[in-house]
Amino acid sequence: NAGVMQNPRHLVRRRGQEARLRCSPMKGHSHVYWYRQLPEEGLKFMVYLQKENIIDESGMPKERFSAEFPKEGPSILRIQQVVRGDSAAYFCASSGQHSGANVLTFGAGSRLTVL
Amino acid sequence: KQEVTQIPAALSVPEGENLVLNCSFTDSAIYNLQWFRQDPGKGLTSLLLIQSSQREQTSGRLNASLDKSSGRSTLYIAASQPGDSATYLCAVASNNAGNMLTFGGGTRLMVKP
Repeated sequence: NAGVMQNPRHLVRRRGQEARLRCSPMKGHSHVYWYRQLPEEGLKFMVYLQKENIIDESGMPKERFSAEFPKEGPSILRIQQVVRGDSAAYFCASSGQHSGANVLTFGAGSRLTVL
Repeated sequence: KQEVTQIPAALSVPEGENLVLNCSFTDSAIYNLQWFRQDPGKGLTSLLLIQSSQREQTSGRLNASLDKSSGRSTLYIAASQPGDSATYLCAVASNNAGNMLTFGGGTRLMVKP
């Protein structure tokens, strides 16, 4: 079991470009969560998805950010027209069921740098 | 809205000391509380998970306690080693958020040889 796989690990974009971050959950997990860690800050929840459904996107910025978790393939966090303030580490986590007893497993993160 | 605070923000100790990291949360209605370790530029490693019905969990030199009523958790590290140097994050899963975690700002620990 390879765990939660995120790619790319590092991504550099110029202002105005698009960033796509991918997350493959652990085998058997159908719940995916994205968190953002700004420099010198804690992790903040962004969005919670199940296959083909966005369950909670209360932490997503209202513009330029979107997320999906298609029936086949990884979850994608997409940032359009990136700005310098989007530079951060983006972490994906997965779980097997929506239960308080369950534990999230985190990926190693994707570090976005906007020049 | 759940808020999680960690004190101190940074800590530097000589090798061998026993130390305590503190975490407080504002809403006592939680599913569980987790302590994570984060090394620079790396992901999160789960250290200990305490369910809301439990008082403490132990793993090796680590012991985490939970006092739900007062909204506090402590992570105790015995006989600290330079390899323990990392950022320690406390995270709470709240009842009205299922598995979604609210993180504290972390404690940056440096253990000097």
